[in-house]
Amino acid sequence: EVKLVESGGALVQPGGSLRLSCVASGFDFEEYAMHWVRKVPGKGLEWVAILTWNNNNLAYAASVKGRFTISRDDAENSLFLQMNSLRPDDTASYYCVKDMAGGGSYSFDSWGQGTQVTVSS
Amino acid sequence: KFMLTQPHSVSESPGKTVTISCTGSGGAIAGNFVQWYQQRPGSGPTTVIFESDQRPSGVPDRFSGSIDSSSNSASLTISGLRTEDEADYYCQSQRVFGGGTWVSVL
Repeated sequence: EVKLVESGGALVQPGGSLRLSCVASGFDFEEYAMHWVRKVPGKGLEWVAILTWNNNNLAYAASVKGRFTISRDDAENSLFLQMNSLRPDDTASYYCVKDMAGGGSYSFDSWGQGTQVTVSS
Repeated sequence: KFMLTQPHSVSESPGKTVTISCTGSGGAIAGNFVQWYQQRPGSGPTTVIFESDQRPSGVPDRFSGSIDSSSNSASLTISGLRTEDEADYYCQSQRVFGGGTWVSVL
């Protein structure tokens, strides 16, 4: 059974930083592209970032580019999201999401339960 | 800019059928696969349809997906509605999500 468990969410002041983690199990983590997707309260889902297998390719939504960094540790079956210069509009639940392909098909087949990030003074 | 538009909400009685539309603009929806996700309150999303019309294992065949190129839209149909189907449903293609549709089972 595929399992994705996020952690690291917290209350942080504007301009602050956080590092989200996601531990994966139940599949060959290193063979698949992984994403972060967020849900803003009262709004819909927003794609945030992708990192393909073997760290070959990564991309970011325009709203986070230059502030967020996605990375992975295949030895630890883990995905990370380093978030810097946080803004109130980054407040959301952040989900770790598994792609169906290593190169990134943008077909998502498994989701974590999410970790809450709140940016407020 | 490619966008996906969904109705804000739909409602139907238990046992009935509901269809949720997902209309593309700024590009052809048939150019890429469409996925559908269910999100119940307090839970993470789960995939109910991938690659436009495929069901993951464990998803009942009451859920079906389709594409209509002529209207540039995708649809999710839920038949034999059950109370546990009450949730938000999102369509998605590439990096774009629809705004979500709340399905209410009266």
